[in-house]
Amino acid sequence: QVQLVQSGAEVKKPGASVRLSCQASEYSFKTHHIHWMRQAPGLGPEWMGIIFVGDAGIEYAPKFRGRVTMTRDTSTTTVTMDMSSLTSEDEAVYYCAREMPGSYRFDSWGQGTRVIVSS
Amino acid sequence: QSALTQPASVSGSPGQSITISCTGTSSDVGRYDYVSWYQQHPGKAPKLMIYDVTHRPSGVSSRFSGSRSGNTASLTISGLQAEDEADYYCTSYTVTSTFVFGTGTKVSVL
Repeated sequence: QVQLVQSGAEVKKPGASVRLSCQASEYSFKTHHIHWMRQAPGLGPEWMGIIFVGDAGIEYAPKFRGRVTMTRDTSTTTVTMDMSSLTSEDEAVYYCAREMPGSYRFDSWGQGTRVIVSS
Repeated sequence: QSALTQPASVSGSPGQSITISCTGTSSDVGRYDYVSWYQQHPGKAPKLMIYDVTHRPSGVSSRFSGSRSGNTASLTISGLQAEDEADYYCTSYTVTSTFVFGTGTKVSVL
């Protein structure tokens, strides 16, 4: 069964950076792109970007360019997202999700990582 | 990129059918066959229910169906059951090679 296991909750101060991870298992890691989404309390998910696991290509949503960095490690089947200059508006649950090739659908999701930004 | 517009809430009695709309533009919902729907129970990750406008993943009940007319996609739940009570989100691929989600709809089973 496909699994995406995300790292644990984070509490950060404003202005700090955070690193989130998403470890994939039970499928061929290089054949599926990984997306990152976030969901603020009471709101719908927001797409942040995609990492093309096969060649490490990346596309970021315009809103996050310059502040978010996505990487992947094929040896550990892990995708990582770094976000800098955190503010209270970044408080959300962050999800990684696997894309099924060819149809832009997210068929498996991680359990989510809560990020709290508080002084 | 503005969020796709969904009704905040929809309700129905057990056994009834309900339809959730998702309105976008000619740059997203109306342009590509890449509209998906996700179900989300409180505290859980979203679950794929419909993809490519009308397709249902294996394991998803046939009570869930999708359609589209112009810039508006729809999710219909027939034979409403208590377990269908959840938040539902649509999403679409866009002309700028990004993805946009809907505002979300809370489904209540009366």
